[in-house]
Amino acid sequence: GDSVTQTEGPVTVSESESLIINCTYSATSIAYPNLFWYVRYPGEGLQLLLKVITAGQKGSSRGFEATYNKETTSFHLQKASVQESDSAVYYCALGPSNYNVLYFGSGTKLTVEP
Amino acid sequence: EAAVTQSPRNKVTVTGGNVTLSCRQTNSHNYMYWYRQDTGHGLRLIHYSYGAGNLQIGDVPDGYKATRTTQEDFFLLLELASPSQTSLYFCASSDSGTVNERLFFGHGTKLSVL
Repeated sequence: GDSVTQTEGPVTVSESESLIINCTYSATSIAYPNLFWYVRYPGEGLQLLLKVITAGQKGSSRGFEATYNKETTSFHLQKASVQESDSAVYYCALGPSNYNVLYFGSGTKLTVEP
Repeated sequence: EAAVTQSPRNKVTVTGGNVTLSCRQTNSHNYMYWYRQDTGHGLRLIHYSYGAGNLQIGDVPDGYKATRTTQEDFFLLLELASPSQTSLYFCASSDSGTVNERLFFGHGTKLSVL
């Protein structure tokens, strides 16, 4: 089926360290999946962090980057230097291009220590 | 900024109880969604709607009813709540049904069924 698997949390890193949260997907019924990272800050709802709709392309936002790799079916989230304000739960998701039903990963809780 | 408001934020009920979760969006969006999230699982779609009076079944609809009374309001109903429905519930809205249109989420409702 269609699914997303991401790094199991919680993940704790120190401020200014680099970060990678792994995400791999399976899109057996979706010919051209679109890929997303959503983030949920404490006390808030999920919000879109970045999206990439074309394989081989990279998306970026707020210092985070993710590259859509069709060969490895991956969409890892990276940041070179994290800040305390990046502490949140991060969700990888995929969906078909013509239909707004997303498949979410289980979320990775990130804590950035000062 | 688009706004989605869920109520209540927390709810405790007993097995067999009747629960209604409310969601209101002031974005003039056509689509609204109800998701649940359980530990170790991604968000899973329960029901969604593309307009007042419309209801579409999601991936995990069993035990849930939903009703879209107006463009703004979408309700999730648990008529005989069970402990397996203890979860974190998210409502979301989007303007169109294409996945390129980002979802706007509420803060979530934490439901405990004892």
